[in-house]
Amino acid sequence: GAVVSQHPSRVICKSGTSVKIECRSLDFQATTMFWYRQFPKQSLMLMATSNEGSKATYEQGVEKDKFLINHASLTLSTLTVTSAHPEDSSFYICSATQGTSGYGYTFGSGTRLTVV
Amino acid sequence: AQSVTQPDIHITVSEGASLELRCNYSYGATPYLFWYVQSPGQGLQLLLKYFSGDTLVQGIKGFEAEFKRSQSSFNLRKPSVHWSDAAEYFCAVGAGGGKLIFGQGTELSVKP
Repeated sequence: GAVVSQHPSRVICKSGTSVKIECRSLDFQATTMFWYRQFPKQSLMLMATSNEGSKATYEQGVEKDKFLINHASLTLSTLTVTSAHPEDSSFYICSATQGTSGYGYTFGSGTRLTVV
Repeated sequence: AQSVTQPDIHITVSEGASLELRCNYSYGATPYLFWYVQSPGQGLQLLLKYFSGDTLVQGIKGFEAEFKRSQSSFNLRKPSVHWSDAAEYFCAVGAGGGKLIFGQGTELSVKP
């Protein structure tokens, strides 16, 4: 079946530094990838949609200059949290799809980011 | 605007008992509906989905869900819960362009 690998699973960084999270589709080409953010005991909130070779589309209220998304190939999308602050600490999850319907999702296992 | 409501934040059931998790949605057209399960610190696993056709959908791990348009509901059921079913369950609706809107989640605890 379709597998999405997300790396790292956990990361701790100092306030003011940047962190990059990778999302890879291992056995399929992902035309579209989605990035979600999840606070403890809360639901997933869509941050942005990325299509290979084009700029990401950000949801309202998401700072595109802070959360840089790159989808350079059909198997890799990256989320970079720039100048991280403690309030950016969260669980970040990506999902990928190859289907024309757009709903053939596979989710990554998530990245726990802690900013100290 | 599309939205999903899961009225129950936390449910506890005894092992072997039946389970029903509620989900109500708001969507203008025929919805694409999903149920996902999440174990602590993990990603999401798709249990089942409804796009069209038979309103009773069978999923993995013995789960099923029924789409009721008149009630705008898509409740998840399982006839006999196992201890390994303890997790967080999310209902979601497709919002166009491949996006998903998730409900708040229901945490399921299973008593021995």
